[in-house]
Amino acid sequence: NAGVTQTPKFRVLKTGQSMTLLCAQDMNHEYMYWYRQDPGMGLRLIHYSVGEGTTAKGEVPDGYNVSRLKKQNFLLGLESAAPSQTSVYFCASSPWDRVGSEAFFGQGTRLTVV
Amino acid sequence: AQKITQTQPGMFVQEKEAVTLDCTYDTSDQSYGLFWYKQPSSGEMIFLIYQGSYDEQNATEGRYSLNFQKARKSANLVISASQLGDSAMYFCAMREGYSGGGADGLTFGKGTHLIIQP
Repeated sequence: NAGVTQTPKFRVLKTGQSMTLLCAQDMNHEYMYWYRQDPGMGLRLIHYSVGEGTTAKGEVPDGYNVSRLKKQNFLLGLESAAPSQTSVYFCASSPWDRVGSEAFFGQGTRLTVV
Repeated sequence: AQKITQTQPGMFVQEKEAVTLDCTYDTSDQSYGLFWYKQPSSGEMIFLIYQGSYDEQNATEGRYSLNFQKARKSANLVISASQLGDSAMYFCAMREGYSGGGADGLTFGKGTHLIIQP
């Protein structure tokens, strides 16, 4: 049972380069999320999706785009990477939107922008 | 204003002692959920315990319990008989009901770095 899988696990980018982070879940969850984790800041929501074909902005969406073309996949794109986007990125999914719904996390992607 | 406040950036505790990690929250919703996650040095996020706003009893999961004081908007995590393997970052998080819709995920605190000493 894979759960939530993120690809890649590590990446180094040069300023201005683009990349896409892939999140795949095999639990048939409707809701998916992208967070970034910075030292001393906890996890902050970048974008989220409430179902296939839908996306919405979270707390810190600037500089990122997302797509949810298939229910099981949620992609996070950086069109022109900046050093401020150096962070650990987590994808998560939830089966429903009730308050008791636990979020299942991927293992994280450590991104460094130089 | 922060929705989740964890006032202890770091804590050192002797092995086998009980630990209380503080968490206060801010919401105007009547329906909400409170979560604690553990992040060891390996980086993954591990779900520990959940408390619903309408739950009358404090949640417990093995050595973990949640001291829920609704009037004070407090949801402290208690770890009994701490072990070396409990050393990790601990995050308190909230999912709001009506105003947040519940669908826009969890809001996290900044975390507490717990170190268990032998």
